[in-house]
Amino acid sequence: EVQLVESGGGLVQPGRPLTLSCAASGFNFDDYAMHWVRQGPGKGLEWVSGINWNSEYIGYAESVRGRFTISRDNAKNSLYLQMNSLRPEDTALYYCVKGGGFDEGWFDPWGQGTLVTVSS
Amino acid sequence: QPVLTQPPSASGTPGQRVTISCSGSGSNIGTNFVYWYQQLPGTTPKLLIYRNNQRPSGVPDRFSGSKSGTSASLAISGLRAEDEADYYCAAWDDSIHVVFGGGTKLTVL
Repeated sequence: EVQLVESGGGLVQPGRPLTLSCAASGFNFDDYAMHWVRQGPGKGLEWVSGINWNSEYIGYAESVRGRFTISRDNAKNSLYLQMNSLRPEDTALYYCVKGGGFDEGWFDPWGQGTLVTVSS
Repeated sequence: QPVLTQPPSASGTPGQRVTISCSGSGSNIGTNFVYWYQQLPGTTPKLLIYRNNQRPSGVPDRFSGSKSGTSASLAISGLRAEDEADYYCAAWDDSIHVVFGGGTKLTVL
């Protein structure tokens, strides 16, 4: 069974950094692109960032480009999202999702999410 | 502001057929596959339709997807109370990112 378990969320002050992690199991991690998708409180889904299987291709939403960095460690079956210069509008539930090809909106399955709250 | 446009709400009575539209542009829906996600209240999103019109195993054939030009649609036939959820469309955009619709809240009357 595919499992994606996020961690690292919490309450953080504006301007401070935070790093999210996602531990993957149940599939050949290094065969798939991986993504982060977030959902603000009472809001819709927003793609944050994606990375292909060997980290050759990486993409970011305009809203986080230059502040967030996605990475993966295939040896550890893990995905990361380093978030700098956090803003209140980054407050959201952050989902780790398994992708298909890098250039697809194919997200299946989704983790349970980790909550990031940016507030002073 | 979401790049893909969906109606914020839709409704139907049990047994009816409901469609939800998703409008984009030539750089996303026009040239790439469309995906649909269902988010039941209080749960994580679930892949409902992939590559325009394909259903993952376990998704009832009451759900169907279609695409024409820069628009796509999700159809739900034989509407059931348990279909009440938020539905999102998504597609790759050639400017190297994924775009979502704003979501459609489906109410079963």
